[in-house]
Parts: sequence; C-alpha cells; structure tokens
Amino acid sequence: SQQGEEDPQALSIQEGENATMNCSYKTSINNLQWYRQNSGRGLVHLILIRSNEREKHSGRLRVTLDTSKKSSSLLITASRAADTASYFCATDAGNMLTFGGGTRLMVKP
Amino acid sequence: NAGVTQTPKFQVLKTGQSMTLQCAQDMNHNSMYWYRQDPGMGLRLIYYSASEGTTDKGEVPNGYNVSRLNKREFSLRLESAAPSQTSVYFCASHRGRGTDTQYFGPGTRLTVL
Repeated sequence: SQQGEEDPQALSIQEGENATMNCSYKTSINNLQWYRQNSGRGLVHLILIRSNEREKHSGRLRVTLDTSKKSSSLLITASRAADTASYFCATDAGNMLTFGGGTRLMVKP
Repeated sequence: NAGVTQTPKFQVLKTGQSMTLQCAQDMNHNSMYWYRQDPGMGLRLIYYSASEGTTDKGEVPNGYNVSRLNKREFSLRLESAAPSQTSVYFCASHRGRGTDTQYFGPGTRLTVL
C-alpha cells in the first residue's frame, strides 16, 4: 500500500500558469519530499519539508505541509514547457521512503 | 562523480530465467534501495540496505534477493523471473536514515516474456 496519494493524477495547463499538486498521507512522518521524474528517467529530488515546518520555497517551487490534515501541496509558479513531468511525494517515517502514485503534469507551450 | 549507476539499461528474459541487476554509487552513501515502478504507478520498495552488511525487506520482496556486496554496490537478483516482474527497476542511495534525500539511478527496464 502507498502512504502518499497525489491529487490530481493528471494536470494539463498552459505555459505561464501555476500548477498545484496535492499529497495526502496516513501516518506520522519525519519529513515529506517531492521528486520529479521525466519520461523514461530516474527520479530527481526537488524539495524536502520537515514535520515541524509549514512552508518551504525553492525557486519557483513552494511546498506546504499540514500535519494535522496529513497533507502537503506543491505549487509550481509560472510554469514552463520543461516542467512537463511526473511529480511524486514521498513520506519518510523511519528507514525508508514511501512514494505516492504521482501527478502527471503537462505544460503546453 | 557518476552518482548512481545501474546495469543493464534494458533486459528481456523468458519466464524462469534468472538475472542480476547491478547498482553502484560513488557518493560514499550508507543506505541503498531497490524499487520497482509499474506503468503509471509510483515506486514500491523491494529491498533496502541501511548500511553495509545489512539488508531488509521492503513492501514487495517476494521473488527477489539482494546482496550488499560492499559500501558501493547493491545487487538485485531474480532467481526465476515471472511476467509479473516486468517493470522498471530503480536503485537509489542516501547518506543515512533521517532527513535526507535519495539519489536515483537511471533505471533498468525489464521485460519477462
């Protein structure tokens, strides 16, 4: 079973628009991480937010974490065609990460 | 640094054949992981090695064995491949447990006929 579940499963937007992806999880965590996967490639780490943090920024990325609701969101601002990829949340509750099913983002030029 | 490398990149097996997927990292990381990713799905953990000399089962270990050969290398073996093991296999590593990111290899695309 997967700890994290992303919503929506697929998202299509125009270049320049913002993209928001959500992740819900079930158990207490140490941190939550977001990864990106381009088609046919391995995952690349984007950002990590600790359980005692509520918001974190990295360039055009903004991540929020609400531990009371067991949810996180990833916002990509001013999207570009190169942002087209799948985005996964992963929860760290100890020795291992547990990944969600991902959101497939398509950014149309 | 090459990061995390995996061999082979592609493999086709017949049901019942065996093979070993190789993974190596040059970042002096303590922990290494093997995941599988089925089409349109997230990653599921097969086995992991928290440190050299230790291995533990993940979410989907059945049908697989692993060897942490040394700190750099972590191999995954399929003793008798089945069509249900058709997937993309990713190896990952990180420095140790706790708040840390994982670094992924490029994947091995395995088809079992």
